[in-house]
Amino acid sequence: DVKVTQSSRYLVKRTGEKVFLECVQDMDHENMFWYRQDPGLGLRLIYFSYDVKMKEKGDIPEGYSVSREKKERFSLILESASTNQTSMYLCASSSPTGSFGSYGYTFGSGTRLTVV
Amino acid sequence: AQSVTQPDIHITVSEGASLELRCNYSYGATPYLFWYVQSPGQGLQLLLKYFSGDTLVQGIKGFEAEFKRSQSSFNLRKPSVHWSDAAEYFCAVGPGNTPLVFGKGTRLSVIA
Repeated sequence: DVKVTQSSRYLVKRTGEKVFLECVQDMDHENMFWYRQDPGLGLRLIYFSYDVKMKEKGDIPEGYSVSREKKERFSLILESASTNQTSMYLCASSSPTGSFGSYGYTFGSGTRLTVV
Repeated sequence: AQSVTQPDIHITVSEGASLELRCNYSYGATPYLFWYVQSPGQGLQLLLKYFSGDTLVQGIKGFEAEFKRSQSSFNLRKPSVHWSDAAEYFCAVGPGNTPLVFGKGTRLSVIA
């Protein structure tokens, strides 16, 4: 069964900490995405990547960065965590490269981050 | 830019009753359309998708959706709801070469 795995289901971090959220997919997908999900706001795109070392800003990139050094791994980085970044973070992947929306996404189970 | 509207934030239906969740999209050409379901504390699972061809598409778990170009809609239906269908449902649209845009979701509650 194909999978997108997010390393942590729950995280609690302190304000100002640097936070890494990890996502790994085993489907050899070219495209990977990070969304955050908040009640009443749905899913909002933070960053996406269509190839190794390539990244594009989504709708709400402020306060975040990403890293994609290997095809299967896409990391979301909160440089200095703040309480307004408390949220559910969802990673997804798709194929083929450039066809971001054509074939749907496979999602991970999410990481619920709380910043205190 | 494309957009998705799910007019209903929360719907409650009785077990065994029929269900229709509404989705309206804004996009200039024929879009790629999707419905996803999210159970509590989980990621999103694809229910069904529409690319072209037959406007009535069948998905998993007994769901279907109908694409109506004239109404810019892609409503999700199920003839008989089960308690396990209680979840949040998201409609999404994409032209193919940009990331999907998701609606804000509709939460479905099922009562006995």
